[in-house]
Amino acid sequence: GAVVSQHPSWVICKSGTSVKIECRSLDFQATTMFWYRQFPKQSLMLMATSNEGSKATYEQGVEKDKFLINHASLTLSTLTVTSAHPEDSSFYICSASVGSNQPQHFGDGTRLSIL
Amino acid sequence: QQPVQSPQAVILREGEDAVINCSSSKALYSVHWYRQKHGEAPVFLMILLKGGEQKGHDKISASFNEKKQQSSLYLTASQLSYSGTYFCGTEVNNAGKSTFGDGTTLTVKP
Repeated sequence: GAVVSQHPSWVICKSGTSVKIECRSLDFQATTMFWYRQFPKQSLMLMATSNEGSKATYEQGVEKDKFLINHASLTLSTLTVTSAHPEDSSFYICSASVGSNQPQHFGDGTRLSIL
Repeated sequence: QQPVQSPQAVILREGEDAVINCSSSKALYSVHWYRQKHGEAPVFLMILLKGGEQKGHDKISASFNEKKQQSSLYLTASQLSYSGTYFCGTEVNNAGKSTFGDGTTLTVKP
């Protein structure tokens, strides 16, 4: 149980392209989904918290217009990196949870490389 | 504020024990523990709730000292499969958001 699917696993694209990453909870309804960015050998940096049907809450320093988050249903959240540039290259991971003080179940991550 | 994990790295032989610590400067509602293998996403291990819990599954257990705002993860009789980076995540309220430590890299050698 508690499976989270993240797609795509890898993206390589040119600078200026917008990239959409999907995060789905397959066997449970997630009250909250989280989007993280992780640099090599570093911790998980929370970018935003997403609740179904409401606007995402972004962490300080994360550009809302750059990283668009949509949480259309209790099982799907999307992150769109708009007009991506090489400095946006990173490992992006989503997680889903059924509530506060509950486990987070992570997707397999998306490795984004912007040329 | 980010919790502090120690040690940063541990190297063990199979069968040896390890303890990983996580401490916070803020009062905690819960502490989560995850293991991440290289190139993969973190995998949930266990969660400890306010009130000072102790939990365990298989040979991995953890404790949460609410008063000291600390948690420890205990790995006994380590196996090769225990290798990876262990992260603690802490919740300071009921908002559902966790802040993760910098991780402890555990290497188990044959």
